[in-house]
Amino acid sequence: EAQVTQNPRYLITVTGKKLTVTCSQNMNHEYMSWYRQDPGLGLRQIYYSMNVEVTDKGDVPEGYKVSRKEKRNFPLILESPSPNQTSLYFCASSPGAGREGYEQYFGPGTRLTVT
Amino acid sequence: EDQVTQSPEALRLQEGESSSLNCSYTVSGLRGLFWYRQDPGKGPEFLFTLYSAGEEKEKERLKATLTKKESFLHITAPKPEDSATYLCAVQGNSNYQLIWGAGTKLIIKP
Repeated sequence: EAQVTQNPRYLITVTGKKLTVTCSQNMNHEYMSWYRQDPGLGLRQIYYSMNVEVTDKGDVPEGYKVSRKEKRNFPLILESPSPNQTSLYFCASSPGAGREGYEQYFGPGTRLTVT
Repeated sequence: EDQVTQSPEALRLQEGESSSLNCSYTVSGLRGLFWYRQDPGKGPEFLFTLYSAGEEKEKERLKATLTKKESFLHITAPKPEDSATYLCAVQGNSNYQLIWGAGTKLIIKP
């Protein structure tokens, strides 16, 4: 089944404790992206990756890092989480080329709480 | 500045009562306009892509249309299971990022 998977789905952590949220897709997509979604603010892009060689900041990159060492995986790293990073996080992927290149397919989400 | 505005913020309908959701956009050269459905706590689910004014796409009770300034998502004879938040996004020719609207929360009462 074609899908985007994220782990963990739920995470409660404390301020300053480094964490990684994994994202994997099995559709051979070039483009991958991370979003956060907060009530009243909608979806905001954190980072995106055009392919394994190109990664760039989205609208809200502060406090986050990403890594794209292979096409299928795009982990999101919070080096020193803070309470304002409490949010619902989504990973998405798309083919990245062709007419349907930017139709993004989303993972199930990771609900992060930082205390 | 590229921008997407969705209206209304919320819409309550009776089962079977048809209506439309609006997505107004400003973008420098439209590459594509996307509609998604999102259920609470879940990832957005892709519905449609529209590429040029006059284009229409249908899926079950949903029909999406596009003009040069806005898109409509028409819902015909909705059922309670159509209740969700519907998100609109656009992509311009200037970059690869999608610009997202805030969504319309649709509630269909039986």
